[in-house]
Amino acid sequence: GAVVSQHPSWVICKSGTSVKIECRSLDFQATTMFWYRQFPKQSLMLMATSNEGSKATYEQGVEKDKFLINHASLTLSTLTVTSAHPEDSSFYICSASARTGGEQYFGPGTRLTVT
Amino acid sequence: AQSVTQPDIHITVSEGASLELRCNYSYGATPYLFWYVQSPGQGLQLLLKYFSGDTLVQGIKGFEAEFKRSQSSFNLRKPSVHWSDAAEYFCAVGGSQGNLIFGKGTKLSVKP
Repeated sequence: GAVVSQHPSWVICKSGTSVKIECRSLDFQATTMFWYRQFPKQSLMLMATSNEGSKATYEQGVEKDKFLINHASLTLSTLTVTSAHPEDSSFYICSASARTGGEQYFGPGTRLTVT
Repeated sequence: AQSVTQPDIHITVSEGASLELRCNYSYGATPYLFWYVQSPGQGLQLLLKYFSGDTLVQGIKGFEAEFKRSQSSFNLRKPSVHWSDAAEYFCAVGGSQGNLIFGKGTKLSVKP
């Protein structure tokens, strides 16, 4: 089946630093990748949608200069949290789809803790 | 506004008992409906989906869900729960472009 990996699975960083999270589709080409944020006991909130080779589309309220998304290839998308602050601590989940509107396959998530 | 409501935060059932997880949605267009399961350390796994046609949908692991347009509901059911079903379950609604709106999830615990 379709597998999506994320790296790292957890990361701790100091306030003010930047951290990059990778999302890879291992056995299919992902035309579209999605990035979600999940707070404890909350639902997944869509942050942005990215199509390979295009700029990401951010949801309302998500700062695009803070959460930099790059989808440089059909198997890799990255989310960089710039100048991280403790309130950015969360569980970040990516998903990938082989075609627009197609089934999304989810990564295992990355736990970010900003101290 | 588009939203998904899962009214039960936590449900505990005995192994072998039946299960129903509730999901109500608000969506302006024809909804695509999904149920996902999330286990610790694993990505969300799709249990089943409804796009059109038969309103009773069969999924993996013995789960089924019924779409009731009049009630804006898409409840998940399983006739006999196994201990391995303990996990977090998410209902989601989306459109043809693939963007999904998730409910807050229902945590299922299974008593031996």
